[in-house]
Amino acid sequence: QKEVEQDPGPLSVPEGAIVSLNCTYSNSAFQYFMWYRQYSRKGPELLMYTYSSGNKEDGRFTAQVDKSSKYISLFIRDSQPSDSATYLCAMSALDRLAFGKGNQVVVIP
Amino acid sequence: ETGVTQSPTHLIKTRGQQVTLRCSSQSGHNTVSWYQQALGQGPQFIFQYYREEENGRGNFPPRFSGLQFPNYSSELNVNALELDDSALYLCASSGGLGGRADTQYFGPGTRLTVL
Repeated sequence: QKEVEQDPGPLSVPEGAIVSLNCTYSNSAFQYFMWYRQYSRKGPELLMYTYSSGNKEDGRFTAQVDKSSKYISLFIRDSQPSDSATYLCAMSALDRLAFGKGNQVVVIP
Repeated sequence: ETGVTQSPTHLIKTRGQQVTLRCSSQSGHNTVSWYQQALGQGPQFIFQYYREEENGRGNFPPRFSGLQFPNYSSELNVNALELDDSALYLCASSGGLGGRADTQYFGPGTRLTVL
């Protein structure tokens, strides 16, 4: 079983829709939970992070963590074509980040 | 844009050759981590350097080695290249030992192709 599972299926949504992404994990040692955005041929860019169960909002983005279920989610409200990218969940165990496979999101104008 | 730079941008090598990739960390950061990202996959942790010492290593063979210099820049060396080493190699810098994840800043990566 991989430490971080993220269903890598692509996602196409119309502009203005809500995008919902999620990951599960197996390692209880993970302390920080993040979402990165990666545009084609670029390095990952930190989008959201949290270290406790619950919700965290930043503009149109909401990160949700449920430590008891080992499940994290990212919601993007009012999606825009500029949100088209690959979204990677990641978790931190002190020295390293463990990433999911990523979801390619396409927002159609 | 982060202050992390990587060189070269692209590289083509043949199987069995050796390669050196370079990373300049963001100003003030003393920790550098290297990741390998194969096509369609998430980045995989290779190793981390803190103040010129290796501090943590992922599941990569010894032919993957690294260095960190006094100015905190870093090199990733890969010997005896294999076809499966073709990937995007990412460097991330952060401000301290086991740096909080929110301080890991990624460079643009070096795309390595092994023929």
